[in-house]
Amino acid sequence: DGGITQSPKYLFRKEGQNVTLSCEQNLNHDAMYWYRQDPGQGLRLIYYSQIVNDFQKGDIAEGYSVSREKKESFPLTVTSAQKNPTAFYLCASSQDRGYEKLFFGSGTQLSVL
Amino acid sequence: RKEVEQDPGPFNVPEGATVAFNCTYSNSASQSFFWYRQDCRKEPKLLMSVYSSGNEDGRFTAQLNRASQYISLLIRDSKLSDSATYLCVLHTGGFKTIFGAGTRLFVKA
Repeated sequence: DGGITQSPKYLFRKEGQNVTLSCEQNLNHDAMYWYRQDPGQGLRLIYYSQIVNDFQKGDIAEGYSVSREKKESFPLTVTSAQKNPTAFYLCASSQDRGYEKLFFGSGTQLSVL
Repeated sequence: RKEVEQDPGPFNVPEGATVAFNCTYSNSASQSFFWYRQDCRKEPKLLMSVYSSGNEDGRFTAQLNRASQYISLLIRDSKLSDSATYLCVLHTGGFKTIFGAGTRLFVKA
């Protein structure tokens, strides 16, 4: 079955630590996205990538970094510069640039110890 | 003003009831409109697109009013399994997708 796989499902970060969230897709989609969801708020775009080796900042990129070395993979690193990292993180992909329909992974809940 | 505004609810309705959600948006350049469903701590899933002429998918009916800048979702004959958060989503072109905060629905037996 084609889809998007996020791991881990739950992640705990110690203060000052960088952590990496994994996102893999086998849908052959060009575009991939990372969103953050906080209680009572809509999803907010962190980073997106239209194509391999290219990515763009979204609305709340500070304290995060990404890479896109392979079409299938778009990992997100939450750095120590992100002072409020506790949130639900969702990875998504779409068929091509700007295509409307988004396919989401099952999400990673990140909490601070 | 938020780009997308939804009543957060929760809406508590009995099984079999009809319930309606509204969503207002401020960006008149919005091109495409959607309703997504999200279960607790799960990923959002596309429920239906929303077209200007209105569209229906089984028990679900979506409407768009561009002049007043709102979209609506009507659920008829509510089921227990309809309990979820419903997200109003707009696409303004390119990579700009805007998500509402969602409306929570609880359907009770």
